Amino acid sequence: QVQLQESGPGLVKPSQTLSLTCTVSGDSINSGSYYYNWIRQPAGKGLEWIGHIYTTDGDITYNPSLKSRVTISLDMSKKQFSLKLSSVTAADTAVYYCATLKYDAFDIWGQGTVVTVSS
Amino acid sequence: QSVLTQPPSVSGAPGQRVTITCTGSSSNIGAGNEAHWYQQLPGTAPKLLIYSNNNRPSGVPDRFSGSTSGTSASLAITGLQALDEADYYCQSYDSSLRGYVFGAGTKVSVL
Repeated sequence: QVQLQESGPGLVKPSQTLSLTCTVSGDSINSGSYYYNWIRQPAGKGLEWIGHIYTTDGDITYNPSLKSRVTISLDMSKKQFSLKLSSVTAADTAVYYCATLKYDAFDIWGQGTVVTVSS
Repeated sequence: QSVLTQPPSVSGAPGQRVTITCTGSSSNIGAGNEAHWYQQLPGTAPKLLIYSNNNRPSGVPDRFSGSTSGTSASLAITGLQALDEADYYCQSYDSSLRGYVFGAGTKVSVL
């Protein structure tokens, strides 16, 4: 059973780049084919899919509304995948989750990490 | 404004049945893209409750069931219990937006 854990700075200044990492455990990132996703949730609001990366061929798909600012990457040797979101504003303050995708549903989630954008 | 529309809240007495409707369009649920449902307890990550319209992951009680019709999906909770108080989100893939979309969530309260 795959387990996911997000990590990264909890505070980012406006206009800077938010960087988060999701560490995969309980299963080898090198075995099987997974879509690893990033999803966020502002406090008291709904969920927004940010994008994902496919372990088999490294194919990446981003939410069109965030595409110009997002980069998702994969480091199989470290069993990690990462999110970078540039030019952040207060609107990017949220809980950020990593999750796996199966049958087009997000079946396994990390516990989430809070990121606040503030000077 | 969310691509998938859910009522902000529903409530019911213990033991009753409640239903949450998720209204989409011809580019998501209506296009045959499957609907999925999540339960989010306060302060925790969402948990997959129903996948592929009407399937329950292992460990999810059969009090929870899903269905679809046209451009909408529904989640039914029977035998409502206090521990069912949570936020519930629907989700699908949108072929026009080329991405995964969620409803804004429905808060279920047990009276």
